[in-house]
Amino acid sequence: SSELTQDPAVSVALGQTVRITCQGDSLRSYYASWYQQKPGQAPVLVIYGKNNRPSGIPDRFSGSSSGNTASLTITGAQAEDEADYYCNSRDSSGNHLFGGGTKLTVL
Amino acid sequence: QVQLQESGPGLVKPSQTLSLTCTVSGGSISSGGYYWSWIRQHPGKGLEWIGYIYYSGSTYYNPSLKSRVTISVDTSKNQFSLKLSSVTAADTAVYYCARRRWLQFEDYFDYWGQGTLVTVSS
Repeated sequence: SSELTQDPAVSVALGQTVRITCQGDSLRSYYASWYQQKPGQAPVLVIYGKNNRPSGIPDRFSGSSSGNTASLTITGAQAEDEADYYCNSRDSSGNHLFGGGTKLTVL
Repeated sequence: QVQLQESGPGLVKPSQTLSLTCTVSGGSISSGGYYWSWIRQHPGKGLEWIGYIYYSGSTYYNPSLKSRVTISVDTSKNQFSLKLSSVTAADTAVYYCARRRWLQFEDYFDYWGQGTLVTVSS
């Protein structure tokens, strides 16, 4: 199906590791990209391709993929990482899909 | 550093056409390899891709909006625009313009505008 599925909410203790997942058939063929969005702000690209970080994104952010699941991992979560995270991919028809978003709470 | 800035009316009446422009600075819209995109976000909801345009004028639209959407480009002004016709309250959203980079299996939006809220109301 042409959908990307994310868990609505995830929490992590400060300094611990958290994985945010995204499932969809398109991920078998195309890499996901991941976006961080804080309240009232535009989304920011944090991971793209196999596991690439744009300039300025801390190296605690990493990406991986297996089968129909893409994952964003934050190793040593910080308070400033609390945000909504969206995955994105294109499908075989060229349409762009976004996951429903995961709200990350840092405890 | 590429920057994108949306502009246009913040209030549109039902059944009318929503029109927004995105001005690109810090880079040429005619640079190959980039697709200039519109994405929206309904209040409190997730992101929805609307469509994109290449500098040559080639377009691709979300099938769910295709009948109402037109995206155009003005390379002389380094701008691209969105028109969404026959709007209803369901089109109330924050509209973002963004630059899409497409490299074989890598496909992502690397620069975004700040977004502009468009409310559809009489």
